[in-house]
Parts: sequence; C-alpha cells; structure tokens
Amino acid sequence: QKEVEQDPGPLSVPEGAIVSLNCTYSNSAFQYFMWYRQYSRKGPELLMYTYSSGNKEDGRFTAQVDKSSKYISLFIRDSQPSDSATYLCAMKEYGGSQGNLIFGKGTKLSVKP
Amino acid sequence: DGGITQSPKYLFRKEGQNVTLSCEQNLNHDAMYWYRQDPGQGLRLIYYSQIVNDFQKGDIAEGYSVSREKKESFPLTVTSAQKNPTAFYLCASSRQGAGDTQYFGPGTRLTVL
Repeated sequence: QKEVEQDPGPLSVPEGAIVSLNCTYSNSAFQYFMWYRQYSRKGPELLMYTYSSGNKEDGRFTAQVDKSSKYISLFIRDSQPSDSATYLCAMKEYGGSQGNLIFGKGTKLSVKP
Repeated sequence: DGGITQSPKYLFRKEGQNVTLSCEQNLNHDAMYWYRQDPGQGLRLIYYSQIVNDFQKGDIAEGYSVSREKKESFPLTVTSAQKNPTAFYLCASSRQGAGDTQYFGPGTRLTVL
C-alpha cells in the first residue's frame, strides 16, 4: 500500500463549481499537511498548510484534515479557469526530516469557462 | 525579490554526457532539495542537504551527484550512469524547523537526445 494515494483525474468542472480534491494516507504519524498547485511546466507553489486535524480557510480555498479517517481534502469555491492546474498533496511526520516529505501524485483539474 | 532560481529552463544532452543543473536561493534557507518529476509518478526525492557541506541521498540518488559548498547554492549533476535522465527537475528549499515547508523553483526540463 502506497503511503499517500491521490486520484490523478483528470477532473473537469464548469466555472463557478465547487471542487473537492482528496488524498488518503496510511501513516498515522503524519502531522503536517500541505497542498501545492502546479501549473503546466512550472514549479509547485504552496497553497495551503495545516498542522494536525481541522479546517483552514484562505479566500476561496479550504483545507480539511480528518486524521481519524486518514483523509485530507482541498475545497475550491467559485472555481475559475485560472484554477486549472495539477494539485499535489504532501505530508510529513512531526519531527521528521524535511527529506521525509511525502507527495501524492497529483490531481489534474480543468475548469471550463 | 526573494526566491529560488533554476537554470537553464530547458537543457538538451547527448547520451553519455554529464550535465549540471543550477539551483540558487536567496531566502536564507538552510535546507535544499532536488526532486525529479515524471508523468504519472509524482515527485521523487533525489538528494537533500540540511546544512552546508553535508547532504543525504533520497529515494532515487543513483546516477546523480550534488555539492553544497555555499548556503545559497545546491547544484545537481546528472551523470552518464543515470539510465533514464529525461525528466522535469525541481529544486526546493526550506528552513529547518519541524513544521517548515518547502518552496520550489521553476524547474529545469532535461531531455536526452
């Protein structure tokens, strides 16, 4: 079983839709959870960062962590064509080396005008 | 402007040649990383360095070498021993705290002819 599972998509939605992106994981020691957005042929940019369980909101983006289910989500409200990108989840154990940041394979999102 | 720069953006290499990819950061981060990204594979860690003059192998270090002579710079050499070097290479950096996350450069696309 892979440590982090992420549906690769592609996911296609109309402009204005609510998008839900998800990752599941198997390592219960993960404490730090991140979402990166990567446009085609560019480096990933950090979008959301959460420690332990709970929700975090930033504008149209909400990150949720459910440690009991080993499940994290990123919600995008009022999606825009500019949100079209690949979204990568990443996670790390508390106290673990940064070299132990584990990435999902990414979900490709397309928002149609 | 603070950030991470990678050069060149595109690189072509003949089989049997070594090639060096540049990564520079002016974020005053202690740690730096090299990842390889292939379609459908996600990000895979090649090497990372938490301090000057020290570095550790990641999951796929074979056929690669690095140096860390300066805090700002972490060049990656792709040697002729790397069997399948065509890929998108990403450099990242972070501070050293347990919760600090990684910030990425724009990437270098390497193609072996």
